[in-house]
This record gives sequence, structure tokens and C-alpha cells, in this order.
Amino acid sequence: DTGVSQNPRHKITKRGQNVTFRCDPISEHNRLYWYRQTLGQGPEFLTYFQNEAQLEKSRLLSDRFSAERPKGSFSTLEIQRTEQGDSAMYLCATETGGWNTGELFFGEGSRLTVL
Amino acid sequence: RKEVEQDPGPFNVPEGATVAFNCTYSNSASQSFFWYRQDCRKEPKLLMSVYSSGNEDGRFTAQLNRASQYISLLIRDSKLSDSATYLCGTLSGNTPLVFGKGTRLSVIA
Repeated sequence: DTGVSQNPRHKITKRGQNVTFRCDPISEHNRLYWYRQTLGQGPEFLTYFQNEAQLEKSRLLSDRFSAERPKGSFSTLEIQRTEQGDSAMYLCATETGGWNTGELFFGEGSRLTVL
Repeated sequence: RKEVEQDPGPFNVPEGATVAFNCTYSNSASQSFFWYRQDCRKEPKLLMSVYSSGNEDGRFTAQLNRASQYISLLIRDSKLSDSATYLCGTLSGNTPLVFGKGTRLSVIA
């Protein structure tokens, strides 16, 4: 499978715990995005990388959230001290080329439930 | 005001019907526009880009109205398999894609 791969697909955690999600992009896709989606809403932008450089972060991304993309390949999104409001689907998307085409390839998402 | 607004629906239409959705955007600097399709509990997938001159792909037609700042998606001869949520997305400069909440379509036999 050469699509965008996300792990884990589902995560249930207790409030206050830390969680980490991983995204493996389509090979040679330079831009990698993290979005969050809750029920009845569209995907909301969190952050994105051009290769290993994190170029933009949404104000939705509080200091409890951190994302990395070492070596410009896979990316991780960590949420520290989770809160119930963090429950959502976390979607990774990648884009070919070095510019903003808007043609994103999404992974199947990592669903987080915070109890 | 949300940057991208869509009627959440649901739009319940019989098979074979024609249905149209609109999406309004508030950022006049928006340059590129897209429709994505999202099946229930699945990831969004690009359906079509929206060009200034409008574009058609089989039963799907997308239009852009810059003066009124909206894009539309028309689906002709609806199929059961068209049931999904349709997300509108806009791009402005180098900012990431901004999505609306989506419009839910149910095609009924």
C-alpha cells in the first residue's frame, strides 16, 4: 500500500495521559499536514511541514501539542496531558511538489477518545 | 464569520435526481477551490478542483462565482453510491487548505 499510513487507528486514553500519533507519507511527498476533525465539522488545520521544516502552526495547536518530522519522512503528533476536548479524529495528509496545490492525500486517521 | 460556509444538510434525494450544493467563502484573496468527498468514518478524498471557467467530470459539475464568492457542485442522475459528505476547500496564497463543515447527501432508493 503506497498511500498515507497512520498509526494507531484508534486510541483510548485517560485524561492527563500523553499520546503520540504517527504518519507515514506517500514517498516523495514533500508537504505533510495535520488536521483535526470532530463530528459534524470539517477538518481543521493544525500544522504542516515542508520536508523537515515546520512552516505553520494553527492557534488551535496549544502548547500541549507538538509535531515533528525528522529527516523529512514520517511525522509524529504528540499530545501531552490530554483533555476530553482533545477527543477527535487526527488526520494526516500529504501533498506532492513544493508548492500549495490543495490536492491532498489523506490517511485514514487516528481516532482519539479521552475518557 | 467562518471563512468557508456550507449548508450541513442533510440533503435527502431520490435516485436519479439532480442536486446542487453551494459553498460561500469570505476571503476575497482565495485563489483555488476544491470539492472533497468524505464517506462515513473515512478520510476525505479529492473529488475535483474548481476552475474559473467551471469544470465537469461525468455527472459532476463544479462552478465558481468570484463576484458572489461562492462555488457550487451539481450532481446529476444521483446514485446511491453518491451518499457522502461533500467538503468545500479554499486556498489563499501559501496558507493551508481551509475546509467548510461539509454538506451531507443521502441518496434514497
